[in-house]
Amino acid sequence: GAVVSQHPSWVICKSGTSVKIECRSLDFQATTMFWYRQFPKQSLMLMATSNEGSKATYEQGVEKDKFLINHASLTLSTLTVTSAHPEDSSFYICSARGRSGRSYEQYFGPGTRLTVT
Amino acid sequence: GENVEQHPSTLSVQEGDSAVIKCTYSDSASNYFPWYKQELGKGPQLIIDIRSNVGEKKDQRIAVTLNKTAKHFSLHITETQPEDSAVYFCAASRGTGFQKLVFGTGTRLLVSP
Repeated sequence: GAVVSQHPSWVICKSGTSVKIECRSLDFQATTMFWYRQFPKQSLMLMATSNEGSKATYEQGVEKDKFLINHASLTLSTLTVTSAHPEDSSFYICSARGRSGRSYEQYFGPGTRLTVT
Repeated sequence: GENVEQHPSTLSVQEGDSAVIKCTYSDSASNYFPWYKQELGKGPQLIIDIRSNVGEKKDQRIAVTLNKTAKHFSLHITETQPEDSAVYFCAASRGTGFQKLVFGTGTRLLVSP
């Protein structure tokens, strides 16, 4: 159990365009979802936290107008990178935390590799 | 805020040996300590976790120990296998809901056959 999927697994886009990444909890209801960014050989950097139906809480230094997060339902969250630039190229990973019984554990998706040309 | 330190940054062992990775945390209110394994190009996979009301937890070849007084916790892998090679991250959090995980810097484990 506790499977989180992400789509797409990789995407290449041109500078100035927007890209949407989907994150789904497949077998549990995710009350809280998290979005991370990871650079090569580095740890995970938390970008934002969201509860279903609420606005996301962004970490300091993360531009909320550039990284739009929508936690539309208990199983789906999306991250949209708007007006992407080469410096936005990175590995983006979502994670989800469930209700009681799974309220501590945080399960991660497989990640999305974004390359902006 | 919470700060998690992890060491060593790299660890090389021979197949069959044991591996130990250690982490320290700073926030005495942290009460949940998971360990993740991340293979190249993949998302982190939860391999074991421990809550602050427990001192040790074991799952087959993997065990985690927690010393709340000293604010440190460790991952122990016995009888290592080449497929254990990966990057391992420790993390700490204050618990459920919005409480975020604070990650260590990671340990690259290489198990040689």
